Amino acid sequence: DQQVKQNSPSLSVQEGRISILNCDYTNSMFDYFLWYKKYPAEGPTFLISISSIKDKNEDGRFTVFLNKSAKHLSLHIVPSQPGDSAVYFCAASDMSSYDKVIFGPGTSLSVIP
Amino acid sequence: EAGVVQSPRYKIIEKKQPVAFWCNPISGHNTLYWYLQNLGQGPELLIRYENEEAVDDSQLPKDRFSAERLKGVDSTLKIQPAELGDSAVYLCASSRTGRETQYFGPGTRLLVL
Repeated sequence: DQQVKQNSPSLSVQEGRISILNCDYTNSMFDYFLWYKKYPAEGPTFLISISSIKDKNEDGRFTVFLNKSAKHLSLHIVPSQPGDSAVYFCAASDMSSYDKVIFGPGTSLSVIP
Repeated sequence: EAGVVQSPRYKIIEKKQPVAFWCNPISGHNTLYWYLQNLGQGPELLIRYENEEAVDDSQLPKDRFSAERLKGVDSTLKIQPAELGDSAVYLCASSRTGRETQYFGPGTRLLVL
């Protein structure tokens, strides 16, 4: 049973436009959500996070939106740059599971120059 | 600050052979994780250590997998004997505490023939 879903395996966006990566979760106990970015042959690197008490968190070009009622979050990248081309993992955790982080399958983003 | 170090980066072995992976976490990080990443999937937790204590090993296949974290610093993950289905990337991550950002190493790509 996949608790964190990323239904788009891949996404292509023109440089300068907005990239929107989506993530859905099933466990209503999740209270903390993260996005990680991964380049080939490297480990994932932390990008941005959001607590369940917020509905938006912004860091430069990256904004994460959380819709708890829909169990949905999204990552917006504006403007998209070729260096953003990577695999993006959505992840979630809850304190009742001693903060075990569950990762989604990832979305591969290609930003076309 | 040096990142999480893993070795080897690549390993090719025949099935039924043993294999071991080594991880050196970021200095001062008390929590260490081993993850398994299959192609097209997100990382899946195998085991988590708080200092030298394994606090979550529920997903570790204990019939063939073992891990240790001596002196609460470096860690070793072992598979004996390896099976074809063990071919994957094995990621090590560390964090200051269990609820803080995890920093990943580059991973060890294992191919079992």
